[in-house]
Amino acid sequence: DSGVTQTPKHLITATGQRVTLRCSPRSGDLSVYWYQQSLDQGLQFLIQYYNGEERAKGNILERFSAQQFPDLHSELNLSSLELGDSALYFCASSVLAGRNEQFFGPGTRLTVL
Amino acid sequence: AQSVTQLDSQVPVFEEAPVELRCNYSSSVSVYLFWYVQYPNQGLQLLLKYLSGSTLVESINGFEAEFNKSQTSFHLRKPSVHISDTAEYFCAVSDLTGTASKLTFGTGTRLQVTL
Repeated sequence: DSGVTQTPKHLITATGQRVTLRCSPRSGDLSVYWYQQSLDQGLQFLIQYYNGEERAKGNILERFSAQQFPDLHSELNLSSLELGDSALYFCASSVLAGRNEQFFGPGTRLTVL
Repeated sequence: AQSVTQLDSQVPVFEEAPVELRCNYSSSVSVYLFWYVQYPNQGLQLLLKYLSGSTLVESINGFEAEFNKSQTSFHLRKPSVHISDTAEYFCAVSDLTGTASKLTFGTGTRLQVTL
């Protein structure tokens, strides 16, 4: 158990819908990262937050957005969902923004029908 | 930009045999290097890391990896594998510049250990 929690574990929805994935980092970790794992794209970095502020952006679609709240939990919002958004979404956390050892949550499996 | 190449998508091996999973990276700056393991239907677990110091790093379950700067490699080895080592292994890099520290992953190597 990494100490990073993600909810829900599974999510099944329809195209065009909007969903919210939630992540709670390890106690004491200030930085949160979101990754997408799919069969065709592999593991891709989406976005990083540090202590409530966006720190880095990767291959994140404009339909996707994220935020980190004062209690340090983070949410990833996916809207206008398409079939190709079906994937495993991982959250990871680390102590500092520049410290690169990241601990991953169990993931949320999103299925878009 | 950084990139990671894992040359083998699948590695079948018999139990108690040695194994090497290859990883090469490309980066214009100094990097941190990691191996993560993903068991079926689970998240990624950090197996070992190279941040600085000794180029040979070891995990608690018998894996080791050696950082070779001249060959830009970070191959993972284990002298004797067990059935329970069956999993997907990902090599990852992160650069040392700035305060953003995203991981760039390779495509993964599936280690299949059989009797």
